[in-house]
Amino acid sequence: SQTIHQWPATLVQPVGSPLSLECTVEGTSNPNLYWYRQAAGRGLQLLFYSVGIGQISSEVPQNLSASRPQDRQFILSSKKLLLSDSGFYLCAWARLANTGELFFGEGSRLTVL
Amino acid sequence: GQQVMQIPQYQHVQEGEDFTTYCNSSTTLSNIQWYKQRPGGHPVFLIQLVKSGEVKKQKRLTFQFGEAKKNSSLHITATQTTDVGTYFCAVHGSSNTGKLIFGQGTTLQVKP
Repeated sequence: SQTIHQWPATLVQPVGSPLSLECTVEGTSNPNLYWYRQAAGRGLQLLFYSVGIGQISSEVPQNLSASRPQDRQFILSSKKLLLSDSGFYLCAWARLANTGELFFGEGSRLTVL
Repeated sequence: GQQVMQIPQYQHVQEGEDFTTYCNSSTTLSNIQWYKQRPGGHPVFLIQLVKSGEVKKQKRLTFQFGEAKKNSSLHITATQTTDVGTYFCAVHGSSNTGKLIFGQGTTLQVKP
């Protein structure tokens, strides 16, 4: 069966520090991968999505970046965090591009102080 | 780009009352999905609607897709405290990129 792992689960970082959130999927190949951010009490904002290795589409201009070094690995990074980067970051995968359901990871809760 | 409006943003009901959330798009949708996120949790897929006028039921939940495929609703009959959470609709972007855009969500509170 397919599983999705996301880590770390929680982290507190100072403003200006770097960030790396990692997401891996097991049990499937060539998934579509997504990074969403959810501010407290708000909806899901699509940050990045990827349809294949090295293929990243960015939805919102910001100081975040994403990479897909392997088929089932998706990384969210920042060189210098801002206070506004605080939120709940969710990785998700889909088997099919335009009809498949999304399977979400448990999420990473980031607090920038 | 593709957008979908979801209302209401919040709903407080007494246990046993019904609840409905609505999603509306200005463009025709190929399909629409619904997700539920429990407090502190991650979104979980509930259902996907594809056909015009489609109606699907899951126990006390009824999902509808409009005839014009521009709107959808989720109706919960006789809410229970276990229904608490945020319900999202989600639609695919206009191009074949796999991009999935979520509505703003409706947060349901149920008073016992």
